[in-house]
Amino acid sequence: GAGVSQTPSNKVTEKGKYVELRCDPISGHTALYWYRQSLGQGPEFLIYFQGTGAADDSGLPNDRFFAVRPEGSVSTLKIQRTERGDSAVYLCASSDPGLAPGTQYFGPGTRLLVL
Amino acid sequence: AQKITQTQPGMFVQEKEAVTLDCTYDTSDPSYGLFWYKQPSSGEMIFLIYQGSYDQQNATEGRYSLNFQKARKSANLVISASQLGDSAMYFCAMRGWETSGSRLTFGEGTQLTVNP
Repeated sequence: GAGVSQTPSNKVTEKGKYVELRCDPISGHTALYWYRQSLGQGPEFLIYFQGTGAADDSGLPNDRFFAVRPEGSVSTLKIQRTERGDSAVYLCASSDPGLAPGTQYFGPGTRLLVL
Repeated sequence: AQKITQTQPGMFVQEKEAVTLDCTYDTSDPSYGLFWYKQPSSGEMIFLIYQGSYDQQNATEGRYSLNFQKARKSANLVISASQLGDSAMYFCAMRGWETSGSRLTFGEGTQLTVNP
C-alpha cells in the first residue's frame, strides 16, 4: 500500500517487559514522527526524525523510551521496562518537508496494553 | 507553546445537515498552520483540511470548510451535507512554524455522531 504502515497492530505485554513498535513511512517521506494517544485524548508528540537523525526527541517521557531510524526509512520505537501507564495507542506519521505545508499522514497505530 | 481547545466533547447532527465543530487555539508563533483530522473507530487519523495563518481565504476541501477567524483565534470545521460515514472523532491540531519545530499539538477532540 501507499500509506504509513505500523506493526504490530496490537501488542499485549507484561509489566517490566521490553517492546518494539515498527513504523514504515510513505515512500519518499524523509520526516517521521511518533505520537502517543491515551484513551479519550488527542495524540501527544514523542519524537521527530529528519532522515536518520532524531531532530526533536523532547516529547519522550523518560529514558525508558527510545527510537531509531537507521536507514532513514523504517523506524522502531523501543520501550524498556514497560509500565501499566505506557498502555496507549502509538501512532506514527510521515511527511514530505519539501511539500508545503508538510502535512503529516498517519498510520493505523499500534495498540499497546501492559498488564 | 501551543494550545488547542475543543470545547464540544460530543456533537449530534442529522444526516444531510451541516455541522460546525469548534476549535480555538493559542500560540506565540506569528506564523502557524491549523489542521483537522478525522479518526474513525478503526483508529487511523485521516487528514481533512489545512489553513495557514497568512492565508487570505478560508480553506475548503469538498464538503469540508474551515471558518478561520484569526483575531478570535478560532478555526472551526464546517461539514456540509453530513453523511453517516462522517461519524467519527475529529481533532484540531496546530503547528507553529517558528517555535514548535515540526510537532503537531492536538486538541482533545469532538465525537461526531450523524443520525439517519
